[in-house]
Amino acid sequence: EPEVTQTPSHQVTQMGQEVILRCVPISNHLYFYWYRQILGQKVEFLVSFYNNEISEKSEIFDDQFSVERPDGSNFTLKIRSTKLEDSAMYFCASSERTPSGSTDTQYFGPGTRLTVL
Amino acid sequence: AQKVTQAQTEISVVEKEDVTLDCVYETRDTTYYLFWYKQPPSGELVFLIRRNSFDEQNEISGRYSWNFQKSTSSFNFTITASQVVDSAVYFCALSEAPGGGADGLTFGKGTHLIIQP
Repeated sequence: EPEVTQTPSHQVTQMGQEVILRCVPISNHLYFYWYRQILGQKVEFLVSFYNNEISEKSEIFDDQFSVERPDGSNFTLKIRSTKLEDSAMYFCASSERTPSGSTDTQYFGPGTRLTVL
Repeated sequence: AQKVTQAQTEISVVEKEDVTLDCVYETRDTTYYLFWYKQPPSGELVFLIRRNSFDEQNEISGRYSWNFQKSTSSFNFTITASQVVDSAVYFCALSEAPGGGADGLTFGKGTHLIIQP
């Protein structure tokens, strides 16, 4: 069964460093998402991406964040200068496009745990 | 604005007991979609079910059942004859589109379910 994959599973970085989190969505999916879950808290939407551009972003997704689909398979989240409060689990998700043009059920990757020291 | 409330932070039951996880939602959309995801201790998010606002039929899948009540804006999840493997955090989520749309999913804070042997 196809699945969303994410690498690395755990990333430790120093405050102020740049990190890139990588995701490989399910191959026929067209919508891509990043979510964040701070330890013990709810999952929060960061950004959605379709047709090689951002569709929507939340207030969390400030100028420190960027997303990219550098090739036909990868979808990345970059944090330019990490802060302590960026420590969280980051989930990538993808979904198909329905015949009516909407999004179908989102399937999530296993997450990348980011620890900022 | 959309909101999902899972008032039960943690529930602990003994194996084989039935348990119901509550979910109450708020939305101004006339068409919307409700979801349940399971997050086992390993951390991934596993899709369980999606319901749309037009369909108030309850659904049963094995030991899992879902009760959607539009009149009370609730979408409760019942596990019958619980098992230790059901131990996880369960998230209820809401969106305006089948797969979350451009704005992604709005998650509740989750209910930590502990099944004791």
